Amino acid sequence: AQSVTQLGSHVSVSEGALVLLRCNYSSSVPPYLFWYVQYPNQGLQLLLKYTSAATLVKGINGFEAEFKKSETSFHLTKPSAHMSDAAEYFCAVSEGGPGNQFYFGTGTSLTVIP
Amino acid sequence: DADVTQTPRNRITKTGKRIMLECSQTKGHDRMYWYRQDPGLGLRLIYYSFDVKDINKGEISDGYSVSRQAQAKFSLSLESAIPNQTALYFCATSERTLSEQYFGPGTRLTVT
Repeated sequence: AQSVTQLGSHVSVSEGALVLLRCNYSSSVPPYLFWYVQYPNQGLQLLLKYTSAATLVKGINGFEAEFKKSETSFHLTKPSAHMSDAAEYFCAVSEGGPGNQFYFGTGTSLTVIP
Repeated sequence: DADVTQTPRNRITKTGKRIMLECSQTKGHDRMYWYRQDPGLGLRLIYYSFDVKDINKGEISDGYSVSRQAQAKFSLSLESAIPNQTALYFCATSERTLSEQYFGPGTRLTVT
């Protein structure tokens, strides 16, 4: 069975500082992994996805994530936080299957301090 | 225009009432999903559909039903709403297995 753990429900960083949001997964098969961002009063928007092509994945808005199989992790990073990065971030895993079911983590709320 | 739309965007209803949330998509995707989001719990899958003839229960289907009226339309019904169904509801679509899901803007439902 798949599951996703996001460590830290709330993360605060100063503007210009490194952003690191943690995601660990459990999966019985090679997973596909996704990071989504949710801005206030909006739906979820895809940031990036890992589909087994390359372990370091670059996404939109300067975010990237590295797939580490040995650590079952897919942490999200950004070198320099902007005020506009303040949002809720969700990690999700899919093992495929015809229904393409996703399993989401509980989310991490990112606050950027000016 | 948005690819995935949801109506209504906000709804307040009373305990025991029947309510329907609607989702439409212009992406041409076969797979559609309904999730609910609760603070601290992330998104949990209620129902999903491969196509018009295929409906499947998700993690938390009790108290909910769905209808796939056409490839582009997927409705979620609460037959008799209760207060713990107060949540943010999202519809999503995907093109094929292992591809990303595309989300609507959400419906905020309050059951009093």
